[in-house]
Amino acid sequence: EVQLVETGGGLIQPGGSLRVSCAASGITVSSNYMTWVRQAPGKGLEWVSVIYGGGSTSYADSVKGRFTISRDNSKNTVYLQMNNLRAEDTAVYYCAREASLVATRGSTYYYYYYMDVWGKGTTVTVSS
Amino acid sequence: DIQLTQSPSFLSASVGDRVTITCRASQGISSYLAWYQQEPGKAPKLLIYAASTLQSGVPSRFSGSGSGTEFTLTISSLQPEDFATFYCQQLNSYPRTFGQGTKVEIK
Repeated sequence: EVQLVETGGGLIQPGGSLRVSCAASGITVSSNYMTWVRQAPGKGLEWVSVIYGGGSTSYADSVKGRFTISRDNSKNTVYLQMNNLRAEDTAVYYCAREASLVATRGSTYYYYYYMDVWGKGTTVTVSS
Repeated sequence: DIQLTQSPSFLSASVGDRVTITCRASQGISSYLAWYQQEPGKAPKLLIYAASTLQSGVPSRFSGSGSGTEFTLTISSLQPEDFATFYCQQLNSYPRTFGQGTKVEIK
């Protein structure tokens, strides 16, 4: 069974740091695009970051320079290191796998992506 | 960044109703769009990807259509377990973005 389990959330003061983890089973994180998506209380979904199979990363502008995504292949775990936290970072943080489907039309390849496996989330509260 | 606008933001419907939700993109995204359903307190669940491909295990009453900048999610006959919030997401480019959500409630 494919499963993602997030841990590490908690209450942290503004300006503080926290690292949340996403332990995977049934999939290999180093072979997949692994993402973090967050949801502030009562709000919609916000994409945060991705780490590609090759190890490259991408971030939302709202967290760039403060958050770092990484992975430990030996533990099959993805991390999100969050520094200089702000009240607006308060949210449930979900880990998700971004899968892909390749379709061909003639000699052209099309890669369709989608987030098909999600964890249950971990709650981060930034408050004094 | 690509902006996605869903309409309506809220709808009230009865069991058995046909429901349609629209998602408009600020620029063309071909068919690189997915739809998710989220129940309160739970993680989102993938319903449709590539604009119209039904995820395995999702009931056939859900369908998606569209290409370019306009997309729709249709529920052909609303069931009690469908009352939730639905989100579209573009996967044409980074940063990935979501629509603001459409909450479907019981009339």
